[in-house]
Amino acid sequence: AQKVTQAQTEISVVEKEDVTLDCVYETRDTTYYLFWYKQPPSGELVFLIRRNSFDEQNEISGRYSWNFQKSTSSFNFTITASQVVDSAVYFCALTRGSTLGRLYFGRGTQLTVWP
Amino acid sequence: EAGVAQSPRYKIIEKRQSVAFWCNPISGHATLYWYQQILGQGPKLLIQFQNNGVVDDSQLPKDRFSAERLKGVDSTLKIQPAKLEDSAVYLCASSPQETRGPYNEQFFGPGTRLTVL
Repeated sequence: AQKVTQAQTEISVVEKEDVTLDCVYETRDTTYYLFWYKQPPSGELVFLIRRNSFDEQNEISGRYSWNFQKSTSSFNFTITASQVVDSAVYFCALTRGSTLGRLYFGRGTQLTVWP
Repeated sequence: EAGVAQSPRYKIIEKRQSVAFWCNPISGHATLYWYQQILGQGPKLLIQFQNNGVVDDSQLPKDRFSAERLKGVDSTLKIQPAKLEDSAVYLCASSPQETRGPYNEQFFGPGTRLTVL
């Protein structure tokens, strides 16, 4: 079975602090994809990143960075120098490589960035 | 390029009533998904269509939920009769993928927030 765990329900930081959102996943598949989505108050899910199971390179995109470690089944997301606009619910998700794309989501982490 | 459209954005009904949601995917996208997102949880897949055929409806409560995708484009999701626990946001997503292969991104609509009283 596929499972995604986001242990942090809520995180509050002050602007310009760095923050890391944790994601731990479970799957028996050797081929799978991991994702992070952002859900602002408007409700729409915004795609941030996709990673396949064969690519463990860390990635940086502006203030965002992702750390994928198969050894610990983790795919953590770090926001550097957080801003108020980063306030949202962030979801980690997993899909099996052998299917047509059903996403398994974690419960999400509510990030609040205070000015 | 227009995104995934959904309507209505909000709906309030009483339990045992019926309700329908509409989704218009991005033009040309073959795959369409309906997810249910209960407050405080991540979205859960209800049903997945490829063109106008059902690929996965294993999590759809078929005694009260139904969905169709006529002509492989728009889709409607219906609940009849609604229960209190159906209160949630219903998200529609579409993806261009047509065959098994490298994953294609899912694009999400704004969702329909349903409140059942």
